[in-house]
Amino acid sequence: DTEVTQTPKHLVMGMTNKKSLKCEQHMGHRAMYWYKQKAKKPPELMFVYSYEKLSINESVPSRFSPECPNSSLLNLHLHALQPEDSALYLCASSHGDGNTEAFFGQGTRLTVV
Amino acid sequence: QKEVEQNSGPLSVPEGAIASLNCTYSDRGSQSFFWYRQYSGKSPELIMSIYSNGDKEDGRFTAQLNKASQYVSLLIRDSQPSDSATYLCAVIGGDYKLSFGAGTTVTVRA
Repeated sequence: DTEVTQTPKHLVMGMTNKKSLKCEQHMGHRAMYWYKQKAKKPPELMFVYSYEKLSINESVPSRFSPECPNSSLLNLHLHALQPEDSALYLCASSHGDGNTEAFFGQGTRLTVV
Repeated sequence: QKEVEQNSGPLSVPEGAIASLNCTYSDRGSQSFFWYRQYSGKSPELIMSIYSNGDKEDGRFTAQLNKASQYVSLLIRDSQPSDSATYLCAVIGGDYKLSFGAGTTVTVRA
């Protein structure tokens, strides 16, 4: 089972809204990731959690706030986003030893209006 | 210099032919190398991982790694229309970050 589940699949939000993206995996993985992907571009790393601690923040604006409540769950809290933040947001997980493959969820297509 | 570079394509091959995709990386400390397939509007799907020099075969896919040349490739044999997608080369560098190349879009002509 290599399933990573993301909700919602689609989200439209206004620039003053607060929303959250959710990600869940039950593979026993200890590393979880948020990536952002714009059209026709590769995924760009945003955050990495390793053993439930934030290990990498790729200088992401504070309007994006990650949270890892436990080893199976990863959230991305969104507040005061801009239209240019519209993108596909991908969650991924891996074993957590630093060098193994990452498996992606189906993504959340976010549109900021 | 980008961390991971791919031949940008697009690549068009006839059905049944071999599609050849190339990737180079800059971090000599990299230990893990992956190919992902991404259909339009979908998320990346892992199709191959390779960790040591040489070839690794899985069905119609063969990955090749040459760490001395900092080069990874993917061959798709007997290409099918269902192989039409963007193929992303990904590398875990010495900083443990998974970085992606720009991707190569492959179209298999029936």
